[in-house]
Formats: sequence, C-alpha cells, structure tokens
Amino acid sequence: DAKTTQPPSMDCAEGRAANLPCNHSTISGNEYVYWYRQIHSQGPQYIIHGLKNNETNEMASLIITEDRKSSTLILPHATLRDTAVYYCIVRPNSGYSTLTFGKGTMLLVSP
Amino acid sequence: EAGVAQSPRYKIIEKRQSVAFWCNPISGHATLYWYQQILGQGPKLLIQFQNNGVVDDSQLPKDRFSAERLKGVDSTLKIQPAKLEDSAVYLCASSLGSGWGYEQYFGPGTRLTVT
Repeated sequence: DAKTTQPPSMDCAEGRAANLPCNHSTISGNEYVYWYRQIHSQGPQYIIHGLKNNETNEMASLIITEDRKSSTLILPHATLRDTAVYYCIVRPNSGYSTLTFGKGTMLLVSP
Repeated sequence: EAGVAQSPRYKIIEKRQSVAFWCNPISGHATLYWYQQILGQGPKLLIQFQNNGVVDDSQLPKDRFSAERLKGVDSTLKIQPAKLEDSAVYLCASSLGSGWGYEQYFGPGTRLTVT
C-alpha cells in the first residue's frame, strides 16, 4: 500500500505556481520522496526526488519539511501541458526498491 | 534517444481468451518492469526483471499471467485466460539498473478491454 496521502484533485490558473502537497507521516530515515506525473494516455514520467534537503530541477522544486513528514511539489509557472495526475511516492534507498503508486492528485491547469 | 516501445496500443478480447503484450525497453537498460493500471488507480507492479532473471513477481497472478524476457532485452506479458477484471492499461518501464537510485522510464501502455 502507498505510504502517502494526497488530495484527489487541485486546480491552478495558467502562469501561476502550482503547489501540490503530500503527507508521508510514517516515512523512515532511509526513504526518499519521489514525484512522478502521468499525462492522459501516457505512462508516468519522473519529475524529481529528495531525501531531506530541498531540490530543484528544470521541471519543478521539491520542498520537504524538517521533520520529513510532508512535502510540496512546486511547478513555478504552470502551463496547460502540466495538466496531469501527480504521484508522490516514498521509496527506500536499498535493494530492489520499487515504486508503489497511490491514486495521486489530478492537477487541472486552466487558461 | 528512443523511449520504451509497447505494442499493441489497444486490444479488445472476450473473457477466457488469451492475449499477449510486447515491450522493447530503452537500449542498454538492464531492468524491465510490467505494471497494471486499473482505471482511477495508480500503476501496480506485476513483475520486475533484472536482465533475463525475475527479481520480483510477488503481485503477478501466476495462475493466469506469465511474463518472459528472452536474451535480457524484449519482454512479453501474457494473460491466459483473461477475466473481466483484467481490463486495464498495462505499462512497461525500464531503467539502467534495479537499485533505488535509477529512474524508471515508462512506455505509453497497452489498453486492454475484456468483454
């Protein structure tokens, strides 16, 4: 079972920042937070991952709270193409660790 | 760089029939995954291969599902016989390695409808 809790849906206006929350209150010390997204009729796509420090790449920023019990994925300037289901996943950094997907958050970006 | 290829993209069969899906991973990727995604849910891992060996098939319904990865490259997933509840999108993914730090790249999936 997924170890994360996400809102089922969110709306965002085009050009504004989209802030997607994720709760992972039972996360262990050796577990990373991963984010994937899935655009309609496509396979999931990796976005970003982190352990405890904030991370940024060309797609998004990941803010992890100091106690690591929650995180926020930030899309700084959302576009219509960012409309997708966003999955927050907790993944241990050991062995053949796999991705366990929950239901994710459906982000709808509107003009 | 070519992505993960899957075929067919769509398949409609009647219950109790058999069906097979094909996956060609990204060149050089040692690890290959098959996921099942039922409508409204996230993908669920069915089986993971490292080269041509099975690493994890704990969630594969082995009474009807089978998968193989010959020569450690292409893979096929078969369902025989199909049930109504097998209607789903079947996703193939690959990664350079099987450890936690390797990014998984997904194909577009095969949408199966069982009537």
